[in-house]
Amino acid sequence: DTAVSQTPKYLVTQMGNDKSIKCEQNLGHDTMYWYKQDSKKFLKIMFSYNNKELIINETVPNRFSPKSPDKAHLNLHINSLELGDSAVYFCASSSIAGALTDTQYFGPGTRLTVL
Amino acid sequence: TQLLEQSPQFLSIQEGENLTVYCNSSSVFSSLQWYRQEPGEGPVLLVTVVTGGEVKKLKRLTFQFGDARKDSSLHITAAQPGDTGLYLCADSNSGYALNFGKGTSLLVTP
Repeated sequence: DTAVSQTPKYLVTQMGNDKSIKCEQNLGHDTMYWYKQDSKKFLKIMFSYNNKELIINETVPNRFSPKSPDKAHLNLHINSLELGDSAVYFCASSSIAGALTDTQYFGPGTRLTVL
Repeated sequence: TQLLEQSPQFLSIQEGENLTVYCNSSSVFSSLQWYRQEPGEGPVLLVTVVTGGEVKKLKRLTFQFGDARKDSSLHITAAQPGDTGLYLCADSNSGYALNFGKGTSLLVTP
């Protein structure tokens, strides 16, 4: 069973479109995250949710809106896509928010290409 | 959010060689994690170090945490092609998410 799954794996779209990426975890964790990895492989936190509540919102444009319908799901909706949004987006989960000694489990990533 | 510096940025070696990669910060780490990311996949946790001076071993991988908790190193003995990947160090971002370094990209050729 996949612990953290994301769909789609690849997403190619035109500038200006709206798209969503879905994430599900079956680990029973309370905390979920979205990270963005740019073309230079730099991985940066975007959002963190704990028990469906937003606890981190880094300096991300408000075109990005995370939604957590329940503790097992954290989806990412992106409006008005721009060229600079092209990246790999990773979902992750952990059992405890705020504990660095806890393990974060990452999904396989969604490669978004904006043309 | 403190800046994590990783070096070298790229490393290409042959199978059987030893290597060390580094992670440094100007600030003290509360604790530090090392992840490995293989091509096309998400990062996977290798180890967490908490105590200054701590040494942890994972098969051919040896992790050290500096006495002052401002640096850490990862040493791989007799590297194998399966060790190829991006090695990332991470500390806590405001306690709620991971703050990653820019990584060391390792290529081990047969």
